[in-house]
Amino acid sequence: GAVVSQHPSRVICKSGTSVKIECRSLDFQATTMFWYRQFPKQSLMLMATSNEGSKATYEQGVEKDKFLINHASLTLSTLTVTSAHPEDSSFYICSAREREVTQYFGPGTRLLVL
Amino acid sequence: GEDVEQSLFLSVREGDSSVINCTYTDSSSTYLYWYKQEPGAGLQLLTYIFSNMDMKQDQRLTVLLNKKDKHLSLRIADTQTGDSAIYFCAERDTTNYGGSQGNLIFGKGTKLSVKP
Repeated sequence: GAVVSQHPSRVICKSGTSVKIECRSLDFQATTMFWYRQFPKQSLMLMATSNEGSKATYEQGVEKDKFLINHASLTLSTLTVTSAHPEDSSFYICSAREREVTQYFGPGTRLLVL
Repeated sequence: GEDVEQSLFLSVREGDSSVINCTYTDSSSTYLYWYKQEPGAGLQLLTYIFSNMDMKQDQRLTVLLNKKDKHLSLRIADTQTGDSAIYFCAERDTTNYGGSQGNLIFGKGTKLSVKP
């Protein structure tokens, strides 16, 4: 199947700093990418849908000023957690849609805010 | 809203078949998916089935879809220790369906433990 990468895989930062996570589709172009958050032993919670060249669509309850999403090209979307706090610590997973049917996921980024 | 339900745990012996069940609520879902997640990793797409199909087989994996009962199952034949993981069932969200939407709605995942 298609490959989606995320970078970094793990990040530890101090409270109040900003963290950028990159999501790349390596062997296909993705007009749509999704950002999810996963709490321990929980399912994935969709945060936002990112469309190339336009503003992201955020799910209810997700602060767009805190979680900045940029989908600058057909192979790259970034999520920036601004002014991170300990409650933002989580596992963030991106996915990219290859065609209308298939959606491939990145390996995830573990964020720990101290 | 749409909801996807799965049992949380399943334990089998190596070599046996595993059957993971899932129920969903959106009868208009066009595609249903099975993903596998190993510890600390992202989700791996295992297989998907279109809603006008009853069954799909791919090597050791068999997906059965009962659209009337909104029931989806994943059967893993000859289960191996390497199959130990969390398996997520997902349906396509038709309420947001459009050219660039169609997000997936996930169940909570079934943790499969395979005993040697």
